Amino acid sequence: QQPVQSPQAVILREGEDAVINCSSSKALYSVHWYRQKHGEAPVFLMILLKGGEQKGHEKISASFNEKKQQSSLYLTASQLSYSGTYFCGTESRETSYDKVIFGPGTSLSVIP
Amino acid sequence: DAGVIQSPRHEVTEMGQEVTLRCKPISGHDYLFWYRQTMMRGLELLIYFNNNVPIDDSGMPEDRFSAKMPNASFSTLKIQPSEPRDSAVYFCASTTHRGQGLLGYTFGSGTRLTVV
Repeated sequence: QQPVQSPQAVILREGEDAVINCSSSKALYSVHWYRQKHGEAPVFLMILLKGGEQKGHEKISASFNEKKQQSSLYLTASQLSYSGTYFCGTESRETSYDKVIFGPGTSLSVIP
Repeated sequence: DAGVIQSPRHEVTEMGQEVTLRCKPISGHDYLFWYRQTMMRGLELLIYFNNNVPIDDSGMPEDRFSAKMPNASFSTLKIQPSEPRDSAVYFCASTTHRGQGLLGYTFGSGTRLTVV
């Protein structure tokens, strides 16, 4: 079952912060985050494996609450280059461990 | 490493024709995934292989779709006969396992398929 992402879309001015949320109805083993720019392939950002784990990538970080089956992606001091669609992908304990199901994506636009 | 290589980048074909998409995963990666992306349905997993063996093909839309992985460095996705509703971007991705789960996927550039 596909994870749910919110918001669907967000517009930021350079320097502003944003949070993108991802939740699942299934018990999660891991959460992946990817960014896709228009006309390009998705690019891996980070993976979170443990409950409560936080990871960072440049000024982008994420948290994973295993108990709530939720993950959040934090973008701080946004730059124009952050624009794109962000996908979370989940590996569930209730299905095969070896595949990631992607959410519908969150469109992020950073304007000057 | 050259990354995941897909061909062709673009394919335009007439309804009813056979289409073959190709993928070369990253050397050493033992998992290969085929995804289809459309505006309406997002990124859909079609099929994945582990060590060249198909593990889960539950996402393959119907019998018109088939996929093979004859060796560790090559996979194909075939649509026969093709229909306009098959128009989408098809991505191949590869990764490997590190004991606690899959590493992040590396996606190929995709094949944009248009069936007219």
